[in-house]
Amino acid sequence: AQTVTQSQPEMSVQEAETVTLSCTYDTSESDYYLFWYKQPPSRQMILVIRQEAYKQQNATENRFSVNFQKAAKSFSLKISDSQLGDAAMYFCAYAARVIQGAQKLVFGQGTRLTINP
Amino acid sequence: SQTIHQWPATLVQPVGSPLSLECTVEGTSNPNLYWYRQAAGRGLQLLFYSVGIGQISSEVPQNLSASRPQDRQFILSSKKLLLSDSGFYLCAWSWGRYTDTQYFGPGTRLTVL
Repeated sequence: AQTVTQSQPEMSVQEAETVTLSCTYDTSESDYYLFWYKQPPSRQMILVIRQEAYKQQNATENRFSVNFQKAAKSFSLKISDSQLGDAAMYFCAYAARVIQGAQKLVFGQGTRLTINP
Repeated sequence: SQTIHQWPATLVQPVGSPLSLECTVEGTSNPNLYWYRQAAGRGLQLLFYSVGIGQISSEVPQNLSASRPQDRQFILSSKKLLLSDSGFYLCAWSWGRYTDTQYFGPGTRLTVL
């Protein structure tokens, strides 16, 4: 079974600086998808970024980028120019195949990110 | 554009009472639908998913059940709630392919006393 591990329960960063959140996963599949979701105090899960395993190029969305190391099964999230609104729980997730095109998201335990003004 | 709704937002129920949480999606047809639960301070756990009307798959044996009576409606139910059913319940939808991203609703906070 696939597993996802986030080894940093909490992180903090000064506003405008850069922070990297770590994630490792375990799978025997060669083709899969990885995600970072953000959960602010409202608790709604918001997609931050997505990576296809067959793509060597790291995904980027504005100030958010990933460092995807397939051989090492590592998928870290870098947030540049941190803003107060980035404060949230961040979850790494692996998409496992289930039946008929559906997918099962396997989540890590999350990293709570605090932004210091 | 697509929108996903969940209600109620908050619910406090006594042990042994029934439960019905509803999720509806607008702006799409034949979506895949998912129910997740998040215990306090934990990540999300997939409970049920559905690829079509009346088609329900369960991931974890438990006190809950799910139904999909209409294409864009997904219901989570229980006949008798347990204390361990407390948590934050999130509904999600995606297009009908494995490659597609899941989008989440606002969630329901359930407290069983």
